[in-house]
Amino acid sequence: QVQLVQSGAEEKKPGSSLKVSCKASGGAFSSYTISWVRQAPGQGLEWMGRILPMLGMTDYAHKFQGRVTITADKSSSTAYMELRGLTSDDTAVYYCAKGGWLGTPFDPWGQGTLVTVSS
Amino acid sequence: QSVLTQPPSASGTPGQRVSISCSGSSSNIGSGTVNWYQQLPETAPKLLIYSYNQRPSGVPDRFSGSQSGTSASLAITGLQSEDEADYYCAAWDDSLNIYVFGTGTKVTVL
Repeated sequence: QVQLVQSGAEEKKPGSSLKVSCKASGGAFSSYTISWVRQAPGQGLEWMGRILPMLGMTDYAHKFQGRVTITADKSSSTAYMELRGLTSDDTAVYYCAKGGWLGTPFDPWGQGTLVTVSS
Repeated sequence: QSVLTQPPSASGTPGQRVSISCSGSSSNIGSGTVNWYQQLPETAPKLLIYSYNQRPSGVPDRFSGSQSGTSASLAITGLQSEDEADYYCAAWDDSLNIYVFGTGTKVTVL
């Protein structure tokens, strides 16, 4: 049974960067996809991108291309999502989830990481 | 960017049947499967339905999904108080090359 545990809440200044981690346990980390989804306060879910650690392949939503980088460390079964050039619009809960390649469902999800961007 | 359209709210009394629609296009629902997620207050979303009408282990059989053309729907039969949550549909969009979510539906148990 795969379990995903994310890093803790962060407060960031506009213009800075954030890096959220997502540590997986159970299952073969390299063989499954990790996606990142965010949810702004009171808003819906928004897919940001995904990585297939086995091949190092990544895909990003156009909205975030150039600003987001998703990586994976197979030795520690940890995926990372880095977002640069933060604005207040990036204030959200960021989730990692297993799945998302070829339409596969997101299951399970990490607990979420609240990121607040404020001056 | 929500490409899939859902009604903002739905409600019912305990024991009733509630249905939530999800409208998309030929590049998303029309070309693949729809997954449904339940998000209880202040918690991460949870997979509810996948691959047309499959339920992960532990999901009660009062939840069911259907899909036809460019639309999908989630039905909750025998509504219970613990079903009060936000529900999202989701699918891969071949044209946008992104995973798209529905606008979300808040289910209230009266």
